[in-house]
Amino acid sequence: TQLLEQSPQFLSIQEGENLTVYCNSSSVFSSLQWYRQEPGEGPVLLVTVVTGGEVKKLKRLTFQFGDARKDSSLHITAAQPGDTGLYLCAGGIETGNQFYFGTGTSLTVIP
Amino acid sequence: GAGVSQSPRYKVTKRGQDVALRCDPISGHVSLYWYRQALGQGPEFLTYFNYEAQQDKSGLPNDRFSAERPEGSISTLTIQRTEQRDSAMYRCASSLDGISDEQYFGPGTRLTVT
Repeated sequence: TQLLEQSPQFLSIQEGENLTVYCNSSSVFSSLQWYRQEPGEGPVLLVTVVTGGEVKKLKRLTFQFGDARKDSSLHITAAQPGDTGLYLCAGGIETGNQFYFGTGTSLTVIP
Repeated sequence: GAGVSQSPRYKVTKRGQDVALRCDPISGHVSLYWYRQALGQGPEFLTYFNYEAQQDKSGLPNDRFSAERPEGSISTLTIQRTEQRDSAMYRCASSLDGISDEQYFGPGTRLTVT
């Protein structure tokens, strides 16, 4: 069961454009993580958000955790070809012992 | 230092055979996770351990799947009487302490059941 739905599933944009990826759930998460995965590799952590409403910036990437801790977003400014990859949100719900990954957003940035 | 390692990297087996997939986590990491991942999709949680204790196994698809971590370090995911639908990438990850910590992933084992 995947509790975290991501949108869009696929995104192809030109270099220099901005984009936002959404991660939504009906469950409350104690924290949410964003990972990036390149072909043939395992996911690599980008950031963890813990507090409802929290905003974190990592260079051109901005992450936000929803006030109710049920959703999150990732915004990329001036996308570059090196941003290409599969972006995954992930987290553990407050009332369980499982860890869930989102459905994934496959981003392609065209030079 | 060494990262998470998994073996074998590729496994082809015939339907009905048992397979054992091994995960060697980062030394000192308390938590170890098993996932199954389809191409282009997010990893599907199977189970995880803190030390040698299995915390949750409700993600295991059925009773043909089992996992152990007897000494709190290396873990083995066993699939009995394999079926073609078991074909997938199986990934292991470890974290220093707990389910909200950063997880470090291994290279995965690509299982193909013919």
